[in-house]
Amino acid sequence: AQSVAQPEDQVNVAEGNPLTVKCTYSVSGNPYLFWYVQYPNRGLQFLLKYITGDNLVKGSYGFEAEFNKSQTSFHLKKPSALVSDSALYFCAVRDGGSYIPTFGRGTSLIVHP
Amino acid sequence: GAGVSQTPSNKVTEKGKYVELRCDPISGHTALYWYRQSLGQGPEFLIYFQGTGAADDSGLPNDRFFAVRPEGSVSTLKIQRTERGDSAVYLCASSEAGGVYYEQYFGPGTRLTVT
Repeated sequence: AQSVAQPEDQVNVAEGNPLTVKCTYSVSGNPYLFWYVQYPNRGLQFLLKYITGDNLVKGSYGFEAEFNKSQTSFHLKKPSALVSDSALYFCAVRDGGSYIPTFGRGTSLIVHP
Repeated sequence: GAGVSQTPSNKVTEKGKYVELRCDPISGHTALYWYRQSLGQGPEFLIYFQGTGAADDSGLPNDRFFAVRPEGSVSTLKIQRTERGDSAVYLCASSEAGGVYYEQYFGPGTRLTVT
């Protein structure tokens, strides 16, 4: 079985400050982890993924995420937030061998000017 | 290049009616997924196609829901005898293949409202 949790419904951060959006997961095999962003009235857009290798993954728009196996986490980070980063962010996990990802409920990121 | 497209963007129908939702995936993508997204929730898996065949339809909520992909490209999600609880945004996604390594490319969704 696979599951993912995004413990925060909303994250507020001031423009220019670092941001973190949290994600924890549960799998029985090897985890394959993804972050997607959703802007209003649009579909989800892929940001980055962890498959294997370096625990720090870099993705689109300056985002990065750190895979932590012992804490079963895959938090999304950005060193300096932009107002345009305000959107809904979804973490997703696939258990090794599963073709079907499980998505979290999403975290609304609000970046204040 | 062209992304995933979905039509219509909005559909309002009366309870009990039949609806069809269409998805055009990215050209060459063999894997296609349908999801349902309710307000405040993440995408909920419905069905996964690899080529023309439904490789996994375990997410379809009941036999009123059916999907086809006859030529391995365009897919249609069909809902019979619609109920108010079917109201949601229906998302389609495609990927190069169905493996765990591949990210998905999503369409903008079809917002279905059952009155």
